Amino acid sequence: AQSVTQLGSHVSVSEGALVLLRCNYSSSVPPYLFWYVQYPNQGLQLLLKYTSAATLVKGINGFEAEFKKSETSFHLTKPSAHMSDAAEYFCAVSESNTGKLIFGQGTTLQVKP
Amino acid sequence: NAGVTQTPKFQVLKTGQSMTLQCAQDMNHEYMSWYRQDPGMGLRLIHYSVGAGITDQGEVPNGYNVSRSTTEDFPLRLLSAAPSQTSVYFCASSYDREDGYTFGSGTRLTVV
Repeated sequence: AQSVTQLGSHVSVSEGALVLLRCNYSSSVPPYLFWYVQYPNQGLQLLLKYTSAATLVKGINGFEAEFKKSETSFHLTKPSAHMSDAAEYFCAVSESNTGKLIFGQGTTLQVKP
Repeated sequence: NAGVTQTPKFQVLKTGQSMTLQCAQDMNHEYMSWYRQDPGMGLRLIHYSVGAGITDQGEVPNGYNVSRSTTEDFPLRLLSAAPSQTSVYFCASSYDREDGYTFGSGTRLTVV
């Protein structure tokens, strides 16, 4: 079964600093990978997705992620953090044989002024 | 399009009561799933469906039933509520496995 590991349950950055949220996956076949964001008391919103086209994927709100097969990673980055980026971020993998979407445990991003 | 609609938004149940969480989507999506979200545990898959008449279990199916009689609706039934089922429940749907799921706004359930 495929799985996702997010390194670091809490990440704190200063406003304007680089945001790096780490995600590693396990899959025996090329995966479909996703990043979601959840603001307090809301549902999940799709940030970006990797579906075997370009390895560098750009999403909404200035976020991007790079698929690295050799490292089985799909880390999320943003060059300059904004206060409005404070939220919980989830990495997820879509199982190729079932279509089930499996989530990591999430990373809470805190942005300090 | 309304997207994915979940009702109710909040519910308090007594231990042993049963109830159905409703989920409907108007995007003609074949894939639908139910998740529960608990602090520090991410989202855990309860049940999912790849089309009308087809359902399967996820990671944490015990205590929950689902059916999918139409493409639009995917209700989640709690058979006999327990305090361990206190959680936030999300329904989601997708056109296919590479499209990404669209999530509802959630149902916050408390079992006392």
